[in-house]
Amino acid sequence: GESVGLHLPTLSVQEGDNSIINCAYSNSASDYFIWYKQESGKGPQFIIDIRSNMDKRQGQRVTVLLNKTVKHLSLQIAATQPGDSAVYFCAENTRNTGNQFYFGTGTSLTVIP
Amino acid sequence: GAVVSQHPSWVICKSGTSVKIECRSLDFQATTMFWYRQFPKQSLMLMATSNEGSKATYEQGVEKDKFLINHASLTLSTLTVTSAHPEDSSFYICSASKRDISYEQYFGPGTRLTVT
Repeated sequence: GESVGLHLPTLSVQEGDNSIINCAYSNSASDYFIWYKQESGKGPQFIIDIRSNMDKRQGQRVTVLLNKTVKHLSLQIAATQPGDSAVYFCAENTRNTGNQFYFGTGTSLTVIP
Repeated sequence: GAVVSQHPSWVICKSGTSVKIECRSLDFQATTMFWYRQFPKQSLMLMATSNEGSKATYEQGVEKDKFLINHASLTLSTLTVTSAHPEDSSFYICSASKRDISYEQYFGPGTRLTVT
């Protein structure tokens, strides 16, 4: 499989603050990335995706930034809420090798009320 | 739409027995289904890619004879853990891609397998 890693295994933030979760990937051919949220005992839930021809993509309260030069992407969550507490994974895909996705280590986000 | 179910949601079996886990796409046809396993506090590890009507493609290090995958229809894939051992205890998750939209994956809720 591919090597996709995260810098921080845990992150605690105060409710209302912004959260930033980082992800490093090693395959320079990776061209599609997805951030997933996983709550305890459940399957991953799609948050936002970004293709390699973009540097930034915004969704509702979330922004993904992609820096292809250093093979790094981040997920920013604005005004973090207790319901955002979960484990967040980045996953990467290389289109010319198929539609398999490889997941990073994961960051556990805890929102403090 | 795009709901994926798994059955059972949890199972306990004795060492040496086999257990089958089902993954179903409820409201769409899945060209491809994927099987992952996840250990506690760890990431999802892709085990295999399953295409309807053809043999599954296994990731390096995954034993084909241990983890039998069948994708008999566009809405059903099964994973059979044969001769299960305690080290096979894990959270098994499937995902499915819609026909013609191959990069969107919809995940099932997972199956917790405990081998005693």
